[in-house]
Amino acid sequence: QKEVEQDPGPLSVPEGAIVSLNCTYSNSAFQYFMWYRQYSRKGPELLMYTYSSGNKEDGRFTAQVDKSSKYISLFIRDSQPSDSATYLCAMSAGGATNKLIFGTGTLLAVQP
Amino acid sequence: EPEVTQTPSHQVTQMGQEVILRCVPISNHLYFYWYRQILGQKVEFLVSFYNNEISEKSEIFDDQFSVERPDGSNFTLKIRSTKLEDSAMYFCASSEILADEQFFGPGTRLTVL
Repeated sequence: QKEVEQDPGPLSVPEGAIVSLNCTYSNSAFQYFMWYRQYSRKGPELLMYTYSSGNKEDGRFTAQVDKSSKYISLFIRDSQPSDSATYLCAMSAGGATNKLIFGTGTLLAVQP
Repeated sequence: EPEVTQTPSHQVTQMGQEVILRCVPISNHLYFYWYRQILGQKVEFLVSFYNNEISEKSEIFDDQFSVERPDGSNFTLKIRSTKLEDSAMYFCASSEILADEQFFGPGTRLTVL
């Protein structure tokens, strides 16, 4: 079983739709959870950072973490064509190095 | 807004040659990382660095790889003898404290011919 699993998509939605992106993981030691946005051949851009379980909201973005189910989500409200990108989940157990383990990324296309 | 910078943006080299990829982390950050992403694949951890020492390295980071912080601002990744399979995007990241957000640079695309 992979440490972090993420549906690669592609996911195509109309402008204004609510987008739901998800990752599952197997390592119960993970306690820091992140969502990054990556445009083609660019560096990952941090969108959301969450510690442990719960919800976090920032503008049109909401991150949810359910540690009991080992499941994290990112919701994008009122999606825009500029949201078209690959969304990467990443997580860390913390510890001595805080290395990030990434999902494969979900390619999102928001159609105008 | 402070950001991580990387140079060069694209490096083309012949197999067996040495390359040095350079990064300038965010100025007050103390923890530094290199990741790589082979085209079409996920981002993979290579190495973490703190207080002038490697904290952790992955199995990818073999004897051909080394990292250095030669001065107060630069953080470098050296590949001594490049292989075809080293072709990838290499990302530098930094964080202010250990359990904190990691901010990524724009990446260096390494092409080994």
